[in-house]
Amino acid sequence: DQQVKQNSPSLSVQEGRISILNCDYTNSMFDYFLWYKKYPAEGPTFLISISSIKDKNEDGRFTVFLNKSAKHLSLHIVPSQPGDSAVYFCAASAQSGLYGGSQGNLIFGKGTKLSVKP
Amino acid sequence: GAGVSQTPSNKVTEKGKYVELRCDPISGHTALYWYRQSLGQGPEFLIYFQGTGAADDSGLPNDRFFAVRPEGSVSTLKIQRTERGDSAVYLCASGGDSHEQFFGPGTRLTVL
Repeated sequence: DQQVKQNSPSLSVQEGRISILNCDYTNSMFDYFLWYKKYPAEGPTFLISISSIKDKNEDGRFTVFLNKSAKHLSLHIVPSQPGDSAVYFCAASAQSGLYGGSQGNLIFGKGTKLSVKP
Repeated sequence: GAGVSQTPSNKVTEKGKYVELRCDPISGHTALYWYRQSLGQGPEFLIYFQGTGAADDSGLPNDRFFAVRPEGSVSTLKIQRTERGDSAVYLCASGGDSHEQFFGPGTRLTVL
């Protein structure tokens, strides 16, 4: 059973509009969440993260929202640009703080392919 | 280099052969991870090193898979008696003091 779910395999958005990518999780032990962007033939690139003690983290055009009670997080991209077209992966970790630092493997969703049309 | 590097970028082998995949992490990162990504899936965890030791190898699918990191830097993922189902992109990531993991470009393994 998948612990991290991205239920939308694809999303198409007009340039300049908002892109909203959603992610649900089932394990209440997850305490750190990350979004990665992946272009074809490249490894995932870290985009933005959020700790479970927060409900929002913003970095430029990218904002991640966390709703712990609903076990749901979302990534907002405003305004969307054609260069944002990629596969976006949501990931979660359950061991942060146990040893400190970047400990603990990440559990990934299946990804959402975002297409931003000019 | 500044980022995580992986070699080879592509590896084609025959069923039953042995392969080694190499990962050079970001300098100074003590944590190193191996993941495997199949088509249409997200990366799946294989093994995690803290320094030279494997802190968590619960993701290795069976005993044909083995990984080492003898000096706490470069790591090698070794697959014995390869099977067609082993075909995937093998990703390496490293991490420092923050929670983020930084990925290499991956090695695409094809078992014929």
